[in-house]
Parts: sequence; C-alpha cells; structure tokens
Amino acid sequence: SQELEQSPQSLIVQEGKNLTINCTSSKTLYGLYWYKQKYGEGLIFLMMLQKGGEEKSHEKITAKLDEKKQQSSLHITASQPSHAGTYLCGADMRGNNNDMRFGAGTRLTVKP
Amino acid sequence: GAVVSQHPSRVICKSGTSVKIECRSLDFQATTMFWYRQFPKQSLMLMATSNEGSKATYEQGVEKDKFLINHASLTLSTLTVTSAHPEDSSFYICSARMGTGRGTRSSYNEQFFGPGTRLTVL
Repeated sequence: SQELEQSPQSLIVQEGKNLTINCTSSKTLYGLYWYKQKYGEGLIFLMMLQKGGEEKSHEKITAKLDEKKQQSSLHITASQPSHAGTYLCGADMRGNNNDMRFGAGTRLTVKP
Repeated sequence: GAVVSQHPSRVICKSGTSVKIECRSLDFQATTMFWYRQFPKQSLMLMATSNEGSKATYEQGVEKDKFLINHASLTLSTLTVTSAHPEDSSFYICSARMGTGRGTRSSYNEQFFGPGTRLTVL
C-alpha cells in the first residue's frame, strides 16, 4: 500500500472550474512537496510545505498542510488547459530528506 | 539554478544488453543523488541513494548487481541496467541534492529532478 494516499486518482474538469487534490499520510511528515508531471517527463516542483498549518500560493495554485502535518491539499482556482498533467505529492518520511515517498498521482484533464 | 539533466532521454535496446543512463547536476555540486523508477500510471519508487565517492544504498527488492550505480564526481551519477529484460522497461528519473542531507527546519535540502529516461527493452 502507498504510504501517501492521493485522491482522486483522476479528475476531469471544465476550464474555469476550481478543483482540489488531497494527499494523506498515516505518519507525521517532515516535509511535503507538490510536483507536476507531464507524461514521459520529469517532475516540475510546485511548492514545499514544512510547518503545520502552512499555506502557500503561486499564481492560481494554493497548497496547504494541516496542523498535524499528515494531510495536504492542492487547490487550483479557475483551471486552465495548461494545468493539465499529473500532480504528485512527495514527502520526506524521516526528516533527513533521504527517504522521499510519493503518492500515486492525480491525473488532471481540463476540458476547454 | 539547480538544473539536473539526464542522458539519454529515450533508449531502446535488445534484451540481454546493458544500458547506461547519466544524471548530471549542471549548476551545483550534488553530494547525494537518487534514482527512481516509474511504471506507467504509477508513482515514483526509490531504487537507490548514492553519495559521491561511496557505494550506493539500494532499497529493498532492488538488485544491486543488476542496477549498477556509480557516483564518481559531485556532478555525475550513472545507472547501468545490466542484461536488460523487457520487465526492466520503465521510466527512470534521477534527482540530485546539494549539501549534507541533514535536513533541519532551517536548512532543508531539496531534491531537484532530472527530466527522466524512458527505457524500452525489446
């Protein structure tokens, strides 16, 4: 089983709609990363969260980490076709950044 | 800054041959590099961690004799898939990290990912 559970597995939204992707762990995380990946390509770093309750935004994407540091959400406002891709959450499980685990990913399709 | 490259981006080989994949940190020195494997529609799975000048640490279930890792310099790590078979076909991604890796709340060493190498073994 995945140490990081992502939901939903896939998502199809109409352009302009908002959406949320979740990432949950049964363990306290030392750092939570969000990446975007297009098929057959590497990972594009989006945001990193470290502190409980932390929230960061970049353009139309907002990521939050809960107070217990076990759950994170990624919210996209007014989605655009350029947001399409697979979103992966990754987490440092041991606090030394030597043990990164990833969720299975959420495949986002944005219909124009 | 913090760019990581991989070469080749795509390789097709015959079963039984060996394939070498290079991972380079272009504008920083990477004391630690990581190799991941990603199967279709699945997440990244860590294969091994390599520190410059020392032997790689392999994750459970990853054969060290099959996946040879060399981290001879602070900017280059190589992964050689020996005697490749069709089940080794996958997307291989490396990442590189500068610093000692001892993450603290004030000095968190991020991993920078390469663009990946798609290996197809016929």
